[in-house]
Amino acid sequence: DQQVKQNSPSLSVQEGRISILNCDYTNSMFDYFLWYKKYPAEGPTFLISISSIKDKNEDGRFTVFLNKSAKHLSLHIVPSQPGDSAVYFCAARSNFGNEKLTFGTGTRLTIIP
Amino acid sequence: NAGVTQTPKFRILKIGQSMTLQCTQDMNHNYMYWYRQDPGMGLKLIYYSVGAGITDKGEVPNGYNVSRSTTEDFPLRLELAAPSQTSVYFCASRTPSYEQYFGPGTRLTVT
Repeated sequence: DQQVKQNSPSLSVQEGRISILNCDYTNSMFDYFLWYKKYPAEGPTFLISISSIKDKNEDGRFTVFLNKSAKHLSLHIVPSQPGDSAVYFCAARSNFGNEKLTFGTGTRLTIIP
Repeated sequence: NAGVTQTPKFRILKIGQSMTLQCTQDMNHNYMYWYRQDPGMGLKLIYYSVGAGITDKGEVPNGYNVSRSTTEDFPLRLELAAPSQTSVYFCASRTPSYEQYFGPGTRLTVT
């Protein structure tokens, strides 16, 4: 039972354009969401997060949007840069048993110069 | 700060062999985690710990054991390696604001 889903395994975007990565979840107990970025042969690194009491959080070129009614969140990167090429994981924390995160399967983003 | 360190980076085991994957963090985090990542899959939680002396099972604990004798160290033990344990293993520790910091990973092959 995949509670956090990233339905696009890969995405290619032209440099300078907007990258939009999507994530859907099924568990209504999730109340905190995070995005991680992973380069090959490295561990994931934290990128940005959002609490369920907000619908948007922005940090520089990165913005995360949360639509609770649709159980959907998205990560926008603008403008996209070659260094953004990586695998992006969406993760969610439940307000019940909140020691753990549930991860999606990841989306490989490739920025085309 | 070194953050989260893992050793070894790579290892090849024969079926039935045992090994310990080491994980150390220097951020004084209480929460620590072990994940595995199989090709094309997300991170699956193996075990986690909320503090020294306290551990609990995650989604996929079978075939693994952990201990947490200090805040800094959280080793993962494979007792009888099986091909299904071929994976990349990540250790992580967590801040009070729920952000997890990951080590660089250990790539394990069981043949």
